[in-house]
Amino acid sequence: GAGVSQTPSNKVTEKGKYVELRCDPISGHTALYWYRQSLGQGPEFLIYFQGTGAADDSGLPNDRFFAVRPEGSVSTLKIQRTERGDSAVYLCASSLAVGGAEQFFGPGTRLTVL
Amino acid sequence: SQQGEEDPQALSIQEGENATMNCSYKTSINNLQWYRQNSGRGLVHLILIRSNEREKHSGRLRVTLDTSKKSSSLLITASRAADTASYFCATEGNAGNMLTFGGGTRLMVKP
Repeated sequence: GAGVSQTPSNKVTEKGKYVELRCDPISGHTALYWYRQSLGQGPEFLIYFQGTGAADDSGLPNDRFFAVRPEGSVSTLKIQRTERGDSAVYLCASSLAVGGAEQFFGPGTRLTVL
Repeated sequence: SQQGEEDPQALSIQEGENATMNCSYKTSINNLQWYRQNSGRGLVHLILIRSNEREKHSGRLRVTLDTSKKSSSLLITASRAADTASYFCATEGNAGNMLTFGGGTRLMVKP
């Protein structure tokens, strides 16, 4: 029984570089969510997918952030021109149903921008 | 931005004691969920309480919800050292399906 997996577990990059973070949701889960968590704070919503389409991307901080889910399963969060302030743990979650359902979280990717 | 606040921010108790954490939120909700997080990584779902429910139990956990006060509490009875973790409440709003988290309570249970 595989849970949500995320790769890489840690990513160190330099300011200005491009990074991709991958999320493999639980098989059959329709909804997929991305959150960002800074040290000592609760996770903050970034974007969520229902199937292949982004149903709500209101949490993306700016246009350097973009996410895709082309086949309705794996999702990639893409960050262009990274800044030091992007350093955080990026969490992915999936749920069987949209709304009113438990979200299952992956272990996260810790992104450090030097 | 965080939906609500959790109180206390940190709590230290002895094994066997009960731990109570409170959560307040600001807007109307469909449900409220409690999650646990160890070592700042993946969150584990503990319990979901719907807006029309007032109390829910799961093992040693008891959650209450007061929608008139926009607040919830999580009670862990007979705590164990293994309960040491950060606990977050998260609300699912009427308009969307994403969760809005509070700042968390860091619980330490001393053996």
